[in-house]
Amino acid sequence: QQQVKQSPQSLIVQKGGISIINCAYENTAFDYFPWYQQFPGKGPALLIAIRPDVSEKKEGRFTISFNKSAKQFSLHIMDSQPGDSATYFCAASVTGAGSYQLTFGKGTKLSVIP
Amino acid sequence: DAGVTQSPTHLIKTRGQQVTLRCSPKSGHDTVSWYQQALGQGPQFIFQYYEEEERQRGNFPDRFSGHQFPNYSSELNVNALLLGDSALYLCASSLSLPSGPVDEQFFGPGTRLTVL
Repeated sequence: QQQVKQSPQSLIVQKGGISIINCAYENTAFDYFPWYQQFPGKGPALLIAIRPDVSEKKEGRFTISFNKSAKQFSLHIMDSQPGDSATYFCAASVTGAGSYQLTFGKGTKLSVIP
Repeated sequence: DAGVTQSPTHLIKTRGQQVTLRCSPKSGHDTVSWYQQALGQGPQFIFQYYEEEERQRGNFPDRFSGHQFPNYSSELNVNALLLGDSALYLCASSLSLPSGPVDEQFFGPGTRLTVL
């Protein structure tokens, strides 16, 4: 059972454009939603994270939008740059209740073309 | 400040062999989680170690076992290797407070295991 569904699988965006990656979850107990960025041959790096008590969080060019009723959250990358080309993973976890694992989506490969 | 380190970087084994992977957590962290990332997939949780004990385990067979040492470093052992065990094995470190674990997990670069 895939608890976190991520789309699209791949994304091509022109330099300066907006990249949007979407995730949907099933487990309503999830209360922590991070996004990770992974370059080839490297481990995932934490990019930005949100809790469901807020609907949006912005850090620089990266914004998470969260819709609790729809059980969906998305990553927006503004002014996308070639250096943003990487694979992005959404994840979710249940915190403070004895469950410590991150459940990941399958990833989105982003290519930003000049 | 050193981040999460893992060794070795790459490893090639044959079916039926056993392998040990090592992880040193980020300075100040006391909790280590292990994940398996198959090619083209997201990481999957194997287990987490805290206070030298396995605190939680994902859906992986008993062939996967681990250990945490008093200095918080950790090992992942896989016995009777199968072709399907070929993957990137990631270690993530975090901090556990008396009130509970801190959310953020920081990943190492991984160990690429190839089983022939």
